[in-house]
Amino acid sequence: AQTVTQSQPEMSVQEAETVTLSCTYDTSESDYYLFWYKQPPSRQMILVIRQEAYKQQNATENRFSVNFQKAAKSFSLKISDSQLGDAAMYFCAYRAFWETSGSRLTFGEGTQLTVNP
Amino acid sequence: DAGVIQSPRHEVTEMGQEVTLRCKPISGHNSLFWYRQTMMRGLELLIYFNNNVPIDDSGMPEDRFSAKMPNASFSTLKIQPSEPRDSAVYFCASSFLGAGQLEAFFGQGTRLTVV
Repeated sequence: AQTVTQSQPEMSVQEAETVTLSCTYDTSESDYYLFWYKQPPSRQMILVIRQEAYKQQNATENRFSVNFQKAAKSFSLKISDSQLGDAAMYFCAYRAFWETSGSRLTFGEGTQLTVNP
Repeated sequence: DAGVIQSPRHEVTEMGQEVTLRCKPISGHNSLFWYRQTMMRGLELLIYFNNNVPIDDSGMPEDRFSAKMPNASFSTLKIQPSEPRDSAVYFCASSFLGAGQLEAFFGQGTRLTVV
């Protein structure tokens, strides 16, 4: 079974600074997808960024980028120029590639990010 | 599209009562998921449907929980009888299981409190 681990329950960053959230996962599959979701106090789950395991290039979305290390099974999220609106709980998630497994997501425990003005 | 719509947003009920949570997935999506979020256990998958058929309900805690998807645009999660330990936020999510479609879209969740 796949597992996702986020070892940082809480992180804080100064506004305009950069912060990196860590995520590791365990799988025997070679093809899969990884995601970072953001959950602000409104509790809405919002997709931040995704990475296909077969792509070597790290995904980027504006101020958000990932460092995907397939061999190490590591998938960290970097937030540049942090803004107050980035404060939220961040979840790392894994999805199997093959349709027979369905598109269910396995989530990590979450990292609560605080942005200080 | 309005996104995944869940109702109610908040529910407070007494122990022993029946609770029904509702979900309308995004039109055109063929997979629907029910998740439960608690402080102790994080986000857990309870059940998911593909083309209205339950595929995996191994996450359903016990027989008090049941889920249905009578058509592509509606699903319910029922708890009968409810217990205080069922208090949690319940999320519904939908996605399209097919090439090029990857992410699941979540509703705003239902916060259930059983007293």
